[in-house]
Amino acid sequence: GAGVSQSPSNKVTEKGKDVELRCDPISGHTALYWYRQSLGQGLEFLIYFQGNSAPDKSGLPSDRFSAERTGGSVSTLTIQRTQQEDSAVYLCASSPTGQFAGNTIYFGEGSWLTVV
Amino acid sequence: TQLLEQSPQFLSIQEGENLTVYCNSSSVFSSLQWYRQEPGEGPVLLVTVVTGGEVKKLKRLTFQFGDARKDSSLHITAAQPGDTGLYLCAGVGSGGGADGLTFGKGTHLIIQP
Repeated sequence: GAGVSQSPSNKVTEKGKDVELRCDPISGHTALYWYRQSLGQGLEFLIYFQGNSAPDKSGLPSDRFSAERTGGSVSTLTIQRTQQEDSAVYLCASSPTGQFAGNTIYFGEGSWLTVV
Repeated sequence: TQLLEQSPQFLSIQEGENLTVYCNSSSVFSSLQWYRQEPGEGPVLLVTVVTGGEVKKLKRLTFQFGDARKDSSLHITAAQPGDTGLYLCAGVGSGGGADGLTFGKGTHLIIQP
């Protein structure tokens, strides 16, 4: 597809279970970002991948959260031992390079996670 | 931490009315972006303003970056139901990179037909 693709679009999981969220960025985009959007809150930065560089993990809220990007393309965000406060929309985005100025960042439709 | 305050948080007006949404910060940004997000979708970039005092127009939408590059406004003329959505401003810090993009909490806009 032409846009950023995320799956699943919706996920309901029990507290304590692990979940994996997948992101397929736009082909050729070197930069990939994960954000979290909770009800009534803005977008919260989680992690950033740029090419083959070490990812910027400074936004991950706890060690239960991890992400990897294989082959410089598809990324997986993993949340271990999910908690109710993890319920949110997880948005993935990509851009041609990692520089925002004059650059457009493209978001996927998000994965809506509900922890019950 | 750079914070962006958006106001109002919620706005519901009649079709044809004008409105202004504000995005304010005590921090200086190298540029500022405005996004619109519709239910079930990701945010879509509308505009990037870079120069202090810059004004950009996108059909009925007018975006302005403050002279000091700390604030911005979005003015919509003759609002249409299709303008309904969540409007997010995002400031790009001087450091750049992923954590250099700070989002406000957004303004939920509803245009009643």
